[in-house]
Amino acid sequence: GENVEQHPSTLSVQEGDSAVIKCTYSDSASNYFPWYKQELGKGPQLIIDIRSNVGEKKDQRIAVTLNKTAKHFSLHITETQPEDSAVYFCAASPQTGANNLFFGTGTRLTVIP
Amino acid sequence: DAGITQSPRHKVTETGTPVTLRCHQTENHRYMYWYRQDPGHGLRLIHYSYGVKDTDKGEVSDGYSVSRSKTEDFLLTLESATSSQTSVYFCAISPGLAGTDTQYFGPGTRLTVL
Repeated sequence: GENVEQHPSTLSVQEGDSAVIKCTYSDSASNYFPWYKQELGKGPQLIIDIRSNVGEKKDQRIAVTLNKTAKHFSLHITETQPEDSAVYFCAASPQTGANNLFFGTGTRLTVIP
Repeated sequence: DAGITQSPRHKVTETGTPVTLRCHQTENHRYMYWYRQDPGHGLRLIHYSYGVKDTDKGEVSDGYSVSRSKTEDFLLTLESATSSQTSVYFCAISPGLAGTDTQYFGPGTRLTVL
């Protein structure tokens, strides 16, 4: 099955700086890559996703890039704010059967005011 | 949380007892999923359902069973709880239509097995 690796596991940045989280996947059949933000005591919330026919997608301060040849994708957060502090998860889906999501192990982002 | 509720939100039980967790959705989505979240493992799929009475196993299904008798409800049962099943359990839903495979998660149930 799919194996998703996520780095770094923890990340601290100064408010206003950029944050980058990287993920790699193993199954070349994966073609859907969502990113989730999870705040303490809550469920994961989808923040952005990208499909394999697109190389980059942006939504305000958040962007995701995908390199299918290298099998990696990244989350970029610009102008970070304290409310961006949370755990971020990447996931990949081979879009077969039930569209199972395979998750990375998470990155705890801390934005220092 | 996209019209998803989970109950109970917290539960403490003893080894060997049966436990049932409930997921309820108001979105009329076709697909429903149960994941568990453990430190160092991210979220892992336990079971999923692609319609009423249609279910299948995920990657960590041993010790768990599910049932879906109505579109809106998906139950996860631990027949005889073990300490290794102490975890946070999340339900997710998805429309299941082509190009709309996004999964939306509920608030979670924290289960402790003593």
